[in-house]
Parts: sequence; C-alpha cells; structure tokens
Amino acid sequence: EAQVTQNPRYLITVTGKKLTVTCSQNMNHEYMSWYRQDPGLGLRQIYYSMNVEVTDKGDVPEGYKVSRKEKRNFPLILESPSPNQTSLYFCASSLFGGAGGYTFGSGTRLTVV
Amino acid sequence: QKEVEQDPGPLSVPEGAIVSLNCTYSNSAFQYFMWYRQYSRKGPELLMYTYSSGNKEDGRFTAQVDKSSKYISLFIRDSQPSDSATYLCAMSAWGVQGAQKLVFGQGTRLTINP
Repeated sequence: EAQVTQNPRYLITVTGKKLTVTCSQNMNHEYMSWYRQDPGLGLRQIYYSMNVEVTDKGDVPEGYKVSRKEKRNFPLILESPSPNQTSLYFCASSLFGGAGGYTFGSGTRLTVV
Repeated sequence: QKEVEQDPGPLSVPEGAIVSLNCTYSNSAFQYFMWYRQYSRKGPELLMYTYSSGNKEDGRFTAQVDKSSKYISLFIRDSQPSDSATYLCAMSAWGVQGAQKLVFGQGTRLTINP
C-alpha cells in the first residue's frame, strides 16, 4: 500500500530533551515536507525537500532541523524542544511537489511540558 | 494579510443539502489548486485538484477556480453524514526548483446532520 509512515503517533516530552520524529514513504517521491497544524492557524510548512541532500526552509523553520540522506526518509529533529512546539505534525510526500498534491502521514501529536 | 483565506466555520447543514466551501487568495502566481479533506485524528487526503481557472467535477464534488477574482470553491451535492470533516483549500505555484510550496487555508469544519 502506498503510504507515508510517521512515528511515533503520540509523544510527550520535557523541555530541552532532543527528539526525532521519523517519516518514511514508499512511493519513490522526490518531494517531502513537514507541516505543523495548530488551531486557528491551519497547516504551516516547516521544511521541505526536493530530493536527497536538498532541503529548504518553509514558513516556520525556527527550532527544527531536517535531513534527507535517503529518498524515502525525511526525519524531523527538535534539538531543544520548547512548549510552543506542542502541536500536531504531519509529514507529506509528492511526486511533483505542490503541483500534484501531497500524500500525508497520519500525524504525530507532540506535547512539550 | 494571509496568502490564503478560508472561513473556519463551523458549518452545519442537513443531509442532502448542497454545500459550498470557499477560499480567497492574494498571490496571483498560484496555478495549482487543491481541496483536501481531513477526518478527525487523520492526515489530510487529497480530494480534488485543478490547474488554472475552470471547473472540475468528480462524482458529487465540483471544484471551481476563478483566477480573475482569486477565488476558489468546492461544491458538494447530495451531502452525506460521511462528508462530515474539515475541508482545507491549498494552492501552489512553480518556484525555481519546482512547485515545492503548498499554502493551506485555515480549514472549514463541516457537519452533515442526518
């Protein structure tokens, strides 16, 4: 089944403790992206990647890091999480970038206390 | 001003009604227009996709794009309780390295009452 897989689905952590949210897609897509979804603010892009080793900032990149060492994987790293990073995170992939639409993962609900 | 504006609702209609969902945008470079549907505790799923102005129909769903007015719509005919979800409009434009940036509206929460 074609899908984007994120892990974990739920995560509660403490301020300052580094964490990684993994994302993997099995569709051989070039483009991958991370979004956060907050009430009243909708989906906002954090980082995106056009291909292996090619990444760029989205609208809200502060406090996040990404890497794209393999085509299928695009992990999101929070080096020092803070409470304002409590949110619902989605990874997504696309063959053509925004033009063809993205396939989204099921989401990771992160709480930073 | 946000690049994409969408009325967050909530919108509640009786089963069988025609639903109209709308978004306006300010960036005239947008060329690709999409509607996503998001059920509770799920990721968004692509519902409709259109390129440039015009209409596109898929079953009970019709997407409409008016680039001159910077306005897009999604119509749902014969609405069903299973259509209850949050609907997000999204749009993108070609950048230097491809249409890599997708901008979303805030989402409209829709409830279809049996």
